[in-house]
Amino acid sequence: EAGVAQSPRYKIIEKRQSVAFWCNPISGHATLYWYQQILGQGPKLLIQFQNNGVVDDSQLPKDRFSAERLKGVDSTLKIQPAKLEDSAVYLCASSFSEGSYNEQFFGPGTRLTVL
Amino acid sequence: GQQVMQIPQYQHVQEGEDFTTYCNSSTTLSNIQWYKQRPGGHPVFLIQLVKSGEVKKQKRLTFQFGEAKKNSSLHITATQTTDVGTYFCAGPRIYNQGGKLIFGQGTELSVKP
Repeated sequence: EAGVAQSPRYKIIEKRQSVAFWCNPISGHATLYWYQQILGQGPKLLIQFQNNGVVDDSQLPKDRFSAERLKGVDSTLKIQPAKLEDSAVYLCASSFSEGSYNEQFFGPGTRLTVL
Repeated sequence: GQQVMQIPQYQHVQEGEDFTTYCNSSTTLSNIQWYKQRPGGHPVFLIQLVKSGEVKKQKRLTFQFGEAKKNSSLHITATQTTDVGTYFCAGPRIYNQGGKLIFGQGTELSVKP
C-alpha cells in the first residue's frame, strides 16, 4: 500500500516569497491533515479536511496560509508571503475517517527554510 | 486551552538500560495515541489506549493509560539502538470528537551502544 506522498521534500525561499506544498493521501482516506512541526516541538495541526470540506482551521494563520483539497483527494498548502518564523517541517497526514480513534499516517514532510 | 506535556524532554541511556517517558494532559482524554519519529523521519503510529488503566505491550514496549485518563506512560525495557528517536503522545482536542490531535513536545531518546 502506497503511503502519503508529499512534494517537494525541501524548499528554501526568501522572506516575503510564496511557496506551495502538495500532498497525496493514502487512497480511500477521507480525512487529511496539515501539520507544522518546528524543530524540537511536536506537530501542530494547521488544518483538517474531511473529503473536500474544512473541518478545523482554527490554528491556520489565514492572513498568509491557505489550503485546499479539490475533489477530496490531493491537497495543497500555500504560504504567501513567508516569514522567517515559518521555517519548519510541514507534514501531511491522512486517516480513514474523522474520528479521534483513527490512526494517522504521516507523509515524509517538506522542510521549509525561510531566509 | 488543553495542553499535553511530556517529560523528560531528552533522555540519554546506555544500550540495555530501561527508558520511560511520561505524558500528562490538562484535561481528561477519551483516548491517547503514541507515535515515534526517527531522526529525519516522520511520526509513525505505535499504539492507541482507550480504557482507564489500560496496559498494552508491544515486545519491549509497555504503554499505560492512567486511571483518570489524564496521563500515560511508555516504558521500553532493555533499550536497543533501533529505539532511537522522539516519542510523542497525542490526545484529541475535544473529548471523543473529531481527529484533531494535540501532540506533546516529545521525548527524544538517544541510545549509546
